[in-house]
Amino acid sequence: EIVLTQSPGTLSLSPGERATLSCRASQSVSSSYLAWYQQKPGQAPSLLIYATSNRATGIPDRFSGSGSGTDFTLTISRLEPEDFAVYYCQQYGSSLLFTFGPGTKVDIK
Amino acid sequence: EVQLVQSGAVVKNPGESLKISCKAAGYSFTSYWIGWVRQMPGKGLEWMGIIHPGDSDTRYSPSFQGQVTISVDKSISTAYLQWSRLKASDTAMYYCARLGIQGGSYFIDYWGQGTVVTVSS
Repeated sequence: EIVLTQSPGTLSLSPGERATLSCRASQSVSSSYLAWYQQKPGQAPSLLIYATSNRATGIPDRFSGSGSGTDFTLTISRLEPEDFAVYYCQQYGSSLLFTFGPGTKVDIK
Repeated sequence: EVQLVQSGAVVKNPGESLKISCKAAGYSFTSYWIGWVRQMPGKGLEWMGIIHPGDSDTRYSPSFQGQVTISVDKSISTAYLQWSRLKASDTAMYYCARLGIQGGSYFIDYWGQGTVVTVSS
């Protein structure tokens, strides 16, 4: 089973700053199978990025994803107040088994 | 508009049984896999398992195999997650989620609003 590690655990930044979130896999992951989700307090998660770098419908272009193999990155170019949330990476494995990373909390500095 | 509407919060005693639901609307229910995700208080997301409403093909995460049962009633476009004997450690938020597939990529494109399950004596 592939294990995902996210870093940092918490990222304290100010609005307007750039956020760089890392997701590392214990084994190589197909770029088609890596997604990112955002979860705000009291809400269900929502899809941000699929297949490593494809923005979901309605996601602003300040969000971007990149990476390959075992190292993937979510970048928020300029943080807006509504972007302070927890972000999870997820990979799809065989037999429709999915794995989530532990999450990175982006909070206001 | 795609919607996944889950049943309301419940409080149960340890050892009791429970079945929570997720009613789908706005798309062809039998064409998309539906999964369940657990989120324990203050913790991250855990994948529990998934079912295809068309043929009830079900896959469980090893951590949840034998602990829960996932089922569907396609006549009413509803998926279920059930426990035969609840434990305090089952206290969590449970989300249902639709699996999107695009160009060979798999991801969750829609989520239910979540059901809070509290198990306490």
